[in-house]
Amino acid sequence: EVQLLESGGGLVQPGGSLRVSCVASGFTFGNYAMSWVRQAPGKGLEWVSGISASGDGTPYADSVKGRFIISRDNYKDTLFLQMNSLRAEDTAVYYCAKHGSGKAFDIWGQGTMVTVSS
Amino acid sequence: EIVLTQSPGTLSLSPGERATLSCRASQSVSSSYFAWYQQKPGQAPRLLIYGASSRATGIPDRFSGSGSGTDFTLTITRLEPEDVAEYYCQQYGSSLWTFGQGTKVEIK
Repeated sequence: EVQLLESGGGLVQPGGSLRVSCVASGFTFGNYAMSWVRQAPGKGLEWVSGISASGDGTPYADSVKGRFIISRDNYKDTLFLQMNSLRAEDTAVYYCAKHGSGKAFDIWGQGTMVTVSS
Repeated sequence: EIVLTQSPGTLSLSPGERATLSCRASQSVSSSYFAWYQQKPGQAPRLLIYGASSRATGIPDRFSGSGSGTDFTLTITRLEPEDVAEYYCQQYGSSLWTFGQGTKVEIK
């Protein structure tokens, strides 16, 4: 079964850091680009960052550029998002997603909640 | 950045009716990189349509997508109670992805 499983969410103070992870199974992880998408409580979807299959392309949304870093370990089938200088407005469920045909996101994880609060 | 605007905000219909959801882009987007997603309460989003009109694996044929340029449409023929959800459009361009703000579909 094709599956993505996020972990690492939690409560962090403003200005702090957190790293969330996404473990893939059921497909050849290293062959596919991946993205992180977040959803603030009661709000819509916001694309955060993406990474090419090889890891050499890493675009970011303006809202996180310079603060977040996306990376991947193709040997461990794992995607990461390092989040620094966190703000209250970064509070959201963070989903990882696999890229499919037409650069659409065909497989999603269940999400991990990140809360930024003092 | 390309902005996607969805309408209506909420759509309330009876079972068996046809639902028409609209997504308008602030500038022309590639149909090849346009998608629709369904998100039920408490669940992760699910891909419905990619390439503007191709159904994703396992999606019932009552869901269809159309459009090009700046105007795209998701149609649900014969609305069923299980279709109650938020629906989002998405586009890719210039190495960035953007989502619309969503349309909520309710059953009367």
